[in-house]
Amino acid sequence: DTAVSQTPKYLVTQMGNDKSIKCEQNLGHDTMYWYKQDSKKFLKIMFSYNNKELIINETVPNRFSPKSPDKAHLNLHINSLELGDSAVYFCASSSSTGDQPQHFGDGTRLSIL
Amino acid sequence: SQQGEEDPQALSIQEGENATMNCSYKTSINNLQWYRQNSGRGLVHLILIRSNEREKHSGRLRVTLDTSKKSSSLLITASRAADTASYFCATLAGGTSYGKLTFGQGTILTVHP
Repeated sequence: DTAVSQTPKYLVTQMGNDKSIKCEQNLGHDTMYWYKQDSKKFLKIMFSYNNKELIINETVPNRFSPKSPDKAHLNLHINSLELGDSAVYFCASSSSTGDQPQHFGDGTRLSIL
Repeated sequence: SQQGEEDPQALSIQEGENATMNCSYKTSINNLQWYRQNSGRGLVHLILIRSNEREKHSGRLRVTLDTSKKSSSLLITASRAADTASYFCATLAGGTSYGKLTFGQGTILTVHP
């Protein structure tokens, strides 16, 4: 069984479009995260939710909007996609707000044409 | 800003040899974690070492932490071709950091059969 699953795995779209990435975890964790990994493999946190409440909101353009309908799901919606948004986006989860290992999904590779 | 720096950026060894990767960071930490990322996959947690610990072992992995030098090392003994991956250190800052891990840029390890 997949612990943290993201869909879609690949997303190819035009500049200016709006897209969403979905994430689900079946580990019973109460904290979920979104990370962005650039072409140089640098990984940076974007958002974190604990029990559906936003607790980390890094300096990310407001075109990016996370939504957590429940503890097991965290989605990422991106408006007006730009070329610089091309990256791999990872969802992760953990059992507490930071002191525990994080479990990652396999990523969504977003390519902007 | 990026917290950790890893050294070397790339490491190429023969199967059976040991591999050592180093990580340096800048601010005080709660814990330091090492993750592995295989090509096209998400990150997998390897070891977590707390700021009051100096050394931890897990199978063929050995992690050391020197808080006075703000550095950590990951040793993989008797490497195998399957160990080929990118290895990242990540730090959780001291105080209230809500699981905000800060990642290094990673070391690409290639183990030749």
